[in-house]
Amino acid sequence: AQSVSQHNHHVILSEAASLELGCNYSYGGTVNLFWYVQYPGQHLQLLLKYFSGDPLVKGIKGFEAEFIKSKFSFNLRKPSVQWSDTAEYFCAVKSGNTPLVFGKGTRLSVIA
Amino acid sequence: GAGVSQTPSNKVTEKGKYVELRCDPISGHTALYWYRQSLGQGPEFLIYFQGTGAADDSGLPNDRFFAVRPEGSVSTLKIQRTERGDSAVYLCASSAQGTHTDTQYFGPGTRLTVL
Repeated sequence: AQSVSQHNHHVILSEAASLELGCNYSYGGTVNLFWYVQYPGQHLQLLLKYFSGDPLVKGIKGFEAEFIKSKFSFNLRKPSVQWSDTAEYFCAVKSGNTPLVFGKGTRLSVIA
Repeated sequence: GAGVSQTPSNKVTEKGKYVELRCDPISGHTALYWYRQSLGQGPEFLIYFQGTGAADDSGLPNDRFFAVRPEGSVSTLKIQRTERGDSAVYLCASSAQGTHTDTQYFGPGTRLTVL
């Protein structure tokens, strides 16, 4: 069965710091990869997704993620975080017709 | 247009009772998903509908859980003989066609508390 590991449970950063959230998955075949975000009091929404092609994916709000097949990784990055990026971030993987599998999430707190 | 809506937003019930949770997907979306999110965890898949039929119910934890989507739009998740361990946020999502490339759009969830 597929699984997704998010290494950091809670990350605290100052505004303007760079962000990298780790995500590793277990499945060895063709995968589709997603990052979802949940802002306080709001529902899950898609940040970005990877299906094929360029392994560097650009998403909304300045986020990007890089798919590294050899490392089974899909880390999320942002060069300079803002207070409004405070949220919980979920990595998810899907392969073919299998259900979407989520990681446990990483809580990001951005302080002024 | 309107997003995915779920009712009620909160439901408190007693152990052993029956509950129904409702999901209204985005209009025109043929695929509908239910997930359960426990504290400190990511969403866990329960069931997937393509139109009116359950295409994958492999995530339902036991036979106390059942879901329907009789007209291919609104779906109801039904839990019989609730247990304290069923307490969680139940999320619904919909996507246009249910293909592996589709984006799933999530609703706000129903927080179920079983006392």
